[in-house]
Amino acid sequence: DTVLTQSPALAVSPGERVTISCRASESVSTGMHWYQQKPGQQPKLLIYGASNLESGVPARFSGSGSGTDFTLTIDPVEADDTATYFCQQSWNDPTFGGGTKLELK
Amino acid sequence: QIQLVQSGPELKKPGESVKISCKASGYTFTDYAMHWVKQAPGKGLKWMGWINTYTGKPTYADDFKGRFVFSLEASASTANLQISNLKNEDTATYFCARREYYGYYYFDYWGQGVMVTVSS
Repeated sequence: DTVLTQSPALAVSPGERVTISCRASESVSTGMHWYQQKPGQQPKLLIYGASNLESGVPARFSGSGSGTDFTLTIDPVEADDTATYFCQQSWNDPTFGGGTKLELK
Repeated sequence: QIQLVQSGPELKKPGESVKISCKASGYTFTDYAMHWVKQAPGKGLKWMGWINTYTGKPTYADDFKGRFVFSLEASASTANLQISNLKNEDTATYFCARREYYGYYYFDYWGQGVMVTVSS
């Protein structure tokens, strides 16, 4: 299985720029996707194919990367962005990162 | 609008079985595969497998072979997950998710999740 590694938590102030990283144990080309999950809710698709913004998602969210290193950027961060963010690869059988919990100061 | 609506929470004893449903609306059910994802309390997401909604053929991830069964009621645009011989470690929220394709497969719509609690 392709293992995806994310840092467990980040804390930023509203209005700042935050980058959330995801590293794959092997190349997944651009088969990387990002989801936002708030407590008690289902995951919500933000970015697909590493850099494509899902319809209806604010342009404050962006994604980049290819191969093994990927980044989700939120700029500027808003209070409503408090959530856990998961990366997911689909180069082979789907796997998810452990999630990065974003908290606002 | 596209929706995946799952059945309600379940409380079961070890050794019992449970069946969870996922009813799709707002699109042609057989045009998109349906996947299942497990999330244990306070944990991350684990892919369980998927079912081809056109042929009914299921595919299971290695950790979910044996006690887990994916099925369809295609006439009702519904996908089901049945878990038999429940164990404490099956306590989790189970999500259905629609698979979309744009160069790569990803999950564009998710059900609200079903919390299954296994406790004696």
